[in-house]
Amino acid sequence: QVQLVQSGAEVKKPGASVRVSCKTSGYTFSNYYIHWVRQAPGQGLEWMGIINPSGGYTDYAQKFRGRVAMTRDTSTATVYMELSSLISEDTAVYYCAREMTQGSGWSTVGNWGQGTLVTVSS
Amino acid sequence: DIQMTQSPSSLSASVGDRVTLTCRANQGISKNLAWFQLKPGKAPKPLIYAASSLQSGVPSRFSGNGSRTDFTLTINSLQPEDFATYYCQQYDSRPFTFGPGSKLDIK
Repeated sequence: QVQLVQSGAEVKKPGASVRVSCKTSGYTFSNYYIHWVRQAPGQGLEWMGIINPSGGYTDYAQKFRGRVAMTRDTSTATVYMELSSLISEDTAVYYCAREMTQGSGWSTVGNWGQGTLVTVSS
Repeated sequence: DIQMTQSPSSLSASVGDRVTLTCRANQGISKNLAWFQLKPGKAPKPLIYAASSLQSGVPSRFSGNGSRTDFTLTINSLQPEDFATYYCQQYDSRPFTFGPGSKLDIK
């Protein structure tokens, strides 16, 4: 079955960077885009961007451009999201999620990772 | 960016009630709308895609409707496990924006 397993919780200082991994299994890795979404404490869901594991094409929400990088490792079927210049407002649970429609880049998501809590605190 | 709004922001209801949540886009998004259920400490659960198609495994008491700018999520005969926060998301145009959520709690 489709599974997305994320890396564990992180605590970072302001100004630092964090990298969250999302290891996938149960399907052909290169065939489905992966989205990243976050939820800050007491806040709603926020879409951060998308990566095409086949070729590495990315598209980021304007808010995160220049600070976020989504990459992939096809040998391990893993996607990464790195966020730099962290501020306290980046404290959130970060999720990866797989699109529903194969190879679309324009579909909603069906399968989610379990989430990774990133805490930014001095 | 497409702006999504939801109403009500919060709602109290009883087990067995029928509730309707509304989601509105500030420009037409065809039927490119999804609904998610979110509970504390858990990943979002997909409920509806393409405005009205039920995700696999989702009970039939959930239904979605709408197109272009106005959408609804209806839950018939509320069950205890349905008390949660519900989010809509458009995937017509990137960034794929979410609404602010509607919190459904027990009366």
